[in-house]
Amino acid sequence: DAGVTQSPTHLIKTRGQQVTLRCSPKSGHDTVSWYQQALGQGPQFIFQYYEEEERQRGNFPDRFSGHQFPNYSSELNVNALLLGDSALYLCASSWAGSDGYTFGSGTRLTVV
Amino acid sequence: DQQVKQNSPSLSVQEGRISILNCDYTNSMFDYFLWYKKYPAEGPTFLISISSIKDKNEDGRFTVFLNKSAKHLSLHIVPSQPGDSAVYFCAASPPLIQGAQKLVFGQGTRLTINP
Repeated sequence: DAGVTQSPTHLIKTRGQQVTLRCSPKSGHDTVSWYQQALGQGPQFIFQYYEEEERQRGNFPDRFSGHQFPNYSSELNVNALLLGDSALYLCASSWAGSDGYTFGSGTRLTVV
Repeated sequence: DQQVKQNSPSLSVQEGRISILNCDYTNSMFDYFLWYKKYPAEGPTFLISISSIKDKNEDGRFTVFLNKSAKHLSLHIVPSQPGDSAVYFCAASPPLIQGAQKLVFGQGTRLTINP
């Protein structure tokens, strides 16, 4: 049973560029959440998608946007990249109303 | 505003002894608490949780204690094993909003178990 799959695993982008990260949730899960983990910090909640709608959002600027597809997979888009966007981006899936996540291994984004 | 704090960035414990990881929170609306373990190059994996209506939850070698009046929780690992060496994150959740659970994480504590 595949868990949460994220792609790519590593990515290097230049300031000002745009990036798209992808996530396939664990089988049976319908809710996808995205977290940003900066070096030496805990993960910070970006937003959550359920039924293709953004259900809740953390304290991140509009440069961060997302999408959920009918098959429950999700994308995280970041526009106008800043050096401070360099981080590990974690996707977590769950089923609606449950009290726990399954995390993917993350995408390491480096902005130069 | 750091609502969940893990004040010890690192902890070193002898194999076989007890490991105690601590976590403090400030938001009294949090009603569910979780501990996650993270190995390098992997995502966090769920370890144990506790609801705010309880003060203790046990699962094998892992026990979580919650002191609501002090807004403090701790994770006890007994006995500690080399495979327990990892970064441990404390996380808290406010009441579900429309079924959405948002976790607020601490900064993590790196636990090293020495042979």
